[in-house]
Amino acid sequence: SAVISQKPSRDICQRGTSLTIQCQVDSQVTMMFWYRQQPGQSLTLIATANQGSEATYESGFVIDKFPISRPNLTFSTLTVSNMSPEDSSIYLCSVDVGLGGEKLFFGSGTQLSVL
Amino acid sequence: QKEVEQDPGPLSVPEGAIVSLNCTYSNSAFQYFMWYRQYSRKGPELLMYTYSSGNKEDGRFTAQVDKSSKYISLFIRDSQPSDSATYLCAMTFSSGSARQLTFGSGTQLTVLP
Repeated sequence: SAVISQKPSRDICQRGTSLTIQCQVDSQVTMMFWYRQQPGQSLTLIATANQGSEATYESGFVIDKFPISRPNLTFSTLTVSNMSPEDSSIYLCSVDVGLGGEKLFFGSGTQLSVL
Repeated sequence: QKEVEQDPGPLSVPEGAIVSLNCTYSNSAFQYFMWYRQYSRKGPELLMYTYSSGNKEDGRFTAQVDKSSKYISLFIRDSQPSDSATYLCAMTFSSGSARQLTFGSGTQLTVLP
């Protein structure tokens, strides 16, 4: 298993500003994953954060909008840049302790509201 | 058509009832099937995972996979108010990674005392 601390738990932000979300894991992991969860919709993978290399972004997500840092094997940040109300969502970080995606552990999430 | 379909509910049952939560999927290559529980304002928590077809039991929870019908179920016996949460199904390939995980949109369950 893995214990993941994510902060902030929630924030209300103004349009055009940026928010950085932090994720700390209690053990070293190769990859960390960032998801977005919109009301009534399934979890959508934003990007995979690898230590020592650029993050891998999924279709529809770009580095300029969602820059990611991965300075070591236990920590990652996701920044939501130049926010608009459409960015209002829950953002989750996760790690996979299984062999191929069958054992994901998640942080408690960041509830973001953009006014 | 979505790759994974899940009835969003909401589903409301009395305490002690047997709950059945279901997902259908379209990609026959999926081999790992997971169920997550998500309490309000919390991240998803892995409940169970199964590989290929068959049943898996863990306490009051039973996961069932029917690959011929592309249908998976989670049964909760003797449901408790503490089971009130949103339940998400997820699935991926046998040689896949978390990048290939596909989630259902979740079923909201309320167990009434």
